[in-house]
Amino acid sequence: GAVVSQHPSRVICKSGTSVKIECRSLDFQATTMFWYRQFPKQSLMLMATSNEGSKATYEQGVEKDKFLINHASLTLSTLTVTSAHPEDSSFYICSASGLAGLNIQYFGAGTRLSVL
Amino acid sequence: KNEVEQSPQNLTAQEGEFITINCSYSVGISALHWLQQHPGGGIVSLFMLSSGKKKHGRLIATINIQEKHSSLHITASHPRDSAVYICAVGPGTASKLTFGTGTRLQVTL
Repeated sequence: GAVVSQHPSRVICKSGTSVKIECRSLDFQATTMFWYRQFPKQSLMLMATSNEGSKATYEQGVEKDKFLINHASLTLSTLTVTSAHPEDSSFYICSASGLAGLNIQYFGAGTRLSVL
Repeated sequence: KNEVEQSPQNLTAQEGEFITINCSYSVGISALHWLQQHPGGGIVSLFMLSSGKKKHGRLIATINIQEKHSSLHITASHPRDSAVYICAVGPGTASKLTFGTGTRLQVTL
């Protein structure tokens, strides 16, 4: 099946620093990528949807200046958590959807962010 | 009331048992997904259904569109099946999914 690579898998950073998370589709062109956040023992919550070459659409309550999303190519989307604070500590997961399977989302392995 | 509800929330089974996890949804959908999340967090897509039944190895997924209900069955369960199983629904193409809260399955020897 299709592969989505997410990097890094774990990151620990100091409060106030910015962290970039990459999501790559390795064997297909991802026209749409989704970024999710998951708190412990809770379900995934969609943060934003990004289409290649256009601005991301953020869900209500998600600060677009805090969580910068770039989808500059059909194989790469990045999420940057700017000026991270301890409350941003969470598990972030991306998924990608391509032309060949519009209803199918392929998930990355996730990134666990810990802000000290 | 959540738009996607799963039951049970937690499930413990002995190796070899037949397992059923249920998912009910209240919104119109185009597709329903069953996902598996292991303790490390990574998510694997198990099935995407829009009607009927699908089988892959020991896993079987069914959906009843009229009743807005889906079930995931695991035959001859094994400890490596221990994970959180998540039901998610989507209204259409490349659209955002609405997730259930998951069913935590523990299969013991």
